[in-house]
Amino acid sequence: DAGVIQSPRHEVTEMGQEVTLRCKPISGHNSLFWYRQTMMRGLELLIYFNNNVPIDDSGMPEDRFSAKMPNASFSTLKIQPSEPRDSAVYFCASSFIAGSTDTQYFGPGTRLTVL
Amino acid sequence: GDSVTQMEGPVTLSEEAFLTINCTYTATGYPSLFWYVQYPGEGLQLLLKATKADDKGSNKGFEATYRKETTSFHLEKGSVQVSDSAVYFCALGDDYKLSFGAGTTVTVRA
Repeated sequence: DAGVIQSPRHEVTEMGQEVTLRCKPISGHNSLFWYRQTMMRGLELLIYFNNNVPIDDSGMPEDRFSAKMPNASFSTLKIQPSEPRDSAVYFCASSFIAGSTDTQYFGPGTRLTVL
Repeated sequence: GDSVTQMEGPVTLSEEAFLTINCTYTATGYPSLFWYVQYPGEGLQLLLKATKADDKGSNKGFEATYRKETTSFHLEKGSVQVSDSAVYFCALGDDYKLSFGAGTTVTVRA
């Protein structure tokens, strides 16, 4: 199995630009998560999808952030316009089902730098 | 709300030393507990988990026991290797949510 695939691995952009991060979950997994990792705040859950439907987006910082999951094998996280404080590593994770005992499988992450 | 507190790092050890990383949690229900490991430049990967009180999770020589009475899930390894150098995260699972600790950086010297 290829695991969770994320692209790009690194993104450097200028403030005000639109950024799109992409994720392909593990085939057969019904749940998808987007996390953000920073030194100051650690790992934060941004949004959770179940069967392609957003269930919990309470972690999305503000309206500049949006996420979609048009089908079971693809999701995007978009930031428009980007700001320097959005610089972080963004992880996508998937799990077969989303229960308290289930393992979440993480992708390698996208390191975003906003200048 | 649910939260996890883990011992601050960084931790530096010599090869074959004993490693322990403390983790305590606060939860209202009956969560599952996890240890994830993050190697440099990679995503997190599950190291071990325990889903109920008194369960012991183990993998790659690492162990942790779910202690409800002390609300703890301490990670231990009897003899570390250089390849164990990584960041270790304790996490609590409640429904679909994982609450992570701040992470502990471990460096093992040859």
